[in-house]
Amino acid sequence: GAGVSQTPSNKVTEKGKYVELRCDPISGHTALYWYRQSLGQGPEFLIYFQGTGAADDSGLPNDRFFAVRPEGSVSTLKIQRTERGDSAVYLCASSLRPGLAGNYNEQFFGPGTRLTVL
Amino acid sequence: GQSLEQPSEVTAVEGAIVQINCTYQTSGFYGLSWYQQHDGGAPTFLSYNALDGLEETGRFSSFLSRSDSYGYLLLQELQMKDSASYFCAVRDRGSNYQLIWGAGTKLIIKP
Repeated sequence: GAGVSQTPSNKVTEKGKYVELRCDPISGHTALYWYRQSLGQGPEFLIYFQGTGAADDSGLPNDRFFAVRPEGSVSTLKIQRTERGDSAVYLCASSLRPGLAGNYNEQFFGPGTRLTVL
Repeated sequence: GQSLEQPSEVTAVEGAIVQINCTYQTSGFYGLSWYQQHDGGAPTFLSYNALDGLEETGRFSSFLSRSDSYGYLLLQELQMKDSASYFCAVRDRGSNYQLIWGAGTKLIIKP
């Protein structure tokens, strides 16, 4: 079956512009995550959706970042007034509904969108 | 707060065994996972330990000691294709059960 897909694979924009990054999760996965990864670092959690709702958006760095998942499948990460510091690879992952404690469902990652803000 | 430490780089020879350590400091530990990421690729899941002990999956094994806040990934019979970055990531109550990731260990394998 198809894995997680992300578009575009690369996005170059100018400082101050608005960008949208799209994620198409694995069919049937109710959980969707957005991460940001800088060179030489691990992924940094941004936001987690369970179904259509943002169950945890504590990782969003500021109010320029926003994400939606209106139908519980595809998600869009939106960045307003981009800054050079937003340049990174934005990763999306999906999984079955995560449980607590020992009930762990592995996250499947997409190939990422490399965002460059000039 | 939460923090994870792992070596930035490890070098090994093809066919050998290598261990990548991870120590963590968290407020409400639930489990330790390991992911592999090739250059330019997506992270892929390797293992998850919620309880103390060793979990074995083929050439890869993962160990956890909750009392020592320590875990490791063991790779045996190294192959060139194992050259990648390896990340440990903790599920923690203090982070709403989200994964907190280490900075990764780059594994370099020489023939």
